[in-house]
Amino acid sequence: EVQLVQSGGDLVQSGGSLRLSCIASGFTFSNYWMTWVRQAPGKGLEFVTKTNQDGSGKHYMDSVKGRFTVSRDNARNSLYLQMNNLRVDDTAVYYCARDPGFSAVDVWGQGTMVTVSS
Amino acid sequence: DVVMTQSPLSLPVTPGQPASISCRSSQSIVHSDGSTYLHWFQQRPGQSPRRLIYKVSNRDSGVPDRFSGSGSGTDFTLKISRVEAEDIGVYYCLQGANWPTFGQGTKVEI
Repeated sequence: EVQLVQSGGDLVQSGGSLRLSCIASGFTFSNYWMTWVRQAPGKGLEFVTKTNQDGSGKHYMDSVKGRFTVSRDNARNSLYLQMNNLRVDDTAVYYCARDPGFSAVDVWGQGTMVTVSS
Repeated sequence: DVVMTQSPLSLPVTPGQPASISCRSSQSIVHSDGSTYLHWFQQRPGQSPRRLIYKVSNRDSGVPDRFSGSGSGTDFTLKISRVEAEDIGVYYCLQGANWPTFGQGTKVEI
């Protein structure tokens, strides 16, 4: 079964750090772009970051540039999101997702909640 | 960034009746390779999003054939031919030709 299992969400204070993890199974992880998408409470979806198959290419939404870092370990079928200097407006459910190309994300993790308090 | 505008934002529906959601982009989302990377997602209450349609009109495996996508250039539509109770949720369009951007979402409710 194709699956993405996430972990790492928590309550953290403004200015703090958190690392999210996403473990893939059921497909050849190293063949795919991978993304992080977030959803603030009661709001819509927005792309946070995406990385290419070997991790050499990364793109970020403007508001997280310099604070968030996406990485992957293809040997461990794992995707990570290191979030530093967190702000209250980073509060959201974060989803990892598989991207077969041009953001047509076709497999989603279960989501993990990140709450940033002031 | 390309702005995606959906309408309506709220769509009351009646089971067995058709429903339609519009998605318009602020600029053409036809990629230089000639393809249009416009996708549709469904998010049921309390669940992760699920892709329904990719590249305007290609229905995903397991998606009922009452769902269809159409459109070109900057104007796209998701249609449900006969709404069923399980279709309630929020529907999003997404353009992938540039930095990916979602529409605001359309809440379908009975």
